[in-house]
Order: sequence, then structure tokens, then C-alpha cells
Amino acid sequence: AQKVTQAQTEISVVEKEDVTLDCVYETRDTTYYLFWYKQPPSGELVFLIRRNSFDEQNEISGRYSWNFQKSTSSFNFTITASQVVDSAVYFCALSELDTGRRALTFGSGTRLQVQP
Amino acid sequence: GAGVSQSPSNKVTEKGKDVELRCDPISGHTALYWYRQSLGQGLEFLIYFQGNSAPDKSGLPSDRFSAERTGGSVSTLTIQRTQQEDSAVYLCASSLGGTGYIQYDGYTFGSGTRLTVV
Repeated sequence: AQKVTQAQTEISVVEKEDVTLDCVYETRDTTYYLFWYKQPPSGELVFLIRRNSFDEQNEISGRYSWNFQKSTSSFNFTITASQVVDSAVYFCALSELDTGRRALTFGSGTRLQVQP
Repeated sequence: GAGVSQSPSNKVTEKGKDVELRCDPISGHTALYWYRQSLGQGLEFLIYFQGNSAPDKSGLPSDRFSAERTGGSVSTLTIQRTQQEDSAVYLCASSLGGTGYIQYDGYTFGSGTRLTVV
């Protein structure tokens, strides 16, 4: 069965520090998507990135970068030069495509607190 | 509409009462999902609708929970005889759906309904 593990429950950093949020997943499918969502205190889920299982290229978007490694079943997320506005809960999620069931399986989330 | 709309945004109900939560997905999205997020917890999958196919109800926690989707659009999640442990934020998401890899699109989440059972 599919599973997503975010071992870090809470991380606290000082502004401008770099921080990496870990995500490890389990799936038997060969075709799947991995996601990161941000949930700020206001509660809405904000889509950050989607990667498919055939594309292991790392991605950078501004201060955000993602490292996808199939060999270790990990999809880690790094924020460079963190800012107070980055404070939120971050969720990693998996969607399996081989079975045709697209429902997302979420990790338990990592709460990031960025102190000024 | 432009996004996924959920109503009500907040609902307080007495234990034992039935509640209905509504989700209006993005027009043209054939896939619709319900999730539940209890306080301080991650998101728990409840049910998934894809077009005219039979829904995947594997995430529903008990037979007090049911959902329907009329006309392939609006969905209603019904919780009968509510219990205090049902208190949570109920989130709806929609996507273009389809079963092909190429057809896949991302999910868009609504703002959720915060349910409080007292």
C-alpha cells in the first residue's frame, strides 16, 4: 500500500537560514506523481510542485528547490534563505497512476516556524 | 467557477444531528475528492468520484458517512448522527481526472468546511 512519511514534525529556524523538509514514500506503482503543498495559518492548501516518477531532474523555483531520488524513494524540499512568510505546515503527497485511483496520499506534515 | 467552492465554511452542530457539506468543483473537472483534516493532523482520504464510474469509498471511516455527486458536478458529503470525533476540516478537491497519463492534471482544493460537533 502507498505511504508517505514526513519524519520531521516541527522545524524552527531563524530568518535567512536554509531548511530542508524530508519526504519518503512507498509505492508499488511504477507511474506516480509526487507533490508538495503548503498550508499557511489561513488554512488553504497551496500547490507548490508536482513531479512524475519518470523525471528525476531536480527543480528550482526561486528560493525553493526539490530533490527527487527514486533510489531512496525520497522527494525532499529545500527553502533557501527562509523568510517569516514561509511559516506554514508543508505536506508531501503521492498519487499513484497505475491503479487509476488518483486520490492523494498525504504525509502527516511538517510545521515550519521561521523566526525573525 | 474559477475555483473549488465549499459551503458552508463553518458549521457547528449538536452531537447526533445530521450534516450536509457541499462541494462545487471546477467546471469540466471530472474527478472529485473529499478529504478530512483533524486538528493538527494530516489529510485523510475519504472518497473519490471519477466521471460516471462507481466511487471509491474506501476511505470513509464508518457507515455514518456517505457522499453523492449529482450530474457529475456538485457533491454532497453527509454525516449522520454526528459524533465529537467527526469535528474536523473537510476539504474537497477536483481535477481533470481521466485515466491516461497524458490527461492528468493537478488537484485544486477548496477552502474547506470546518465542522464542530458539540
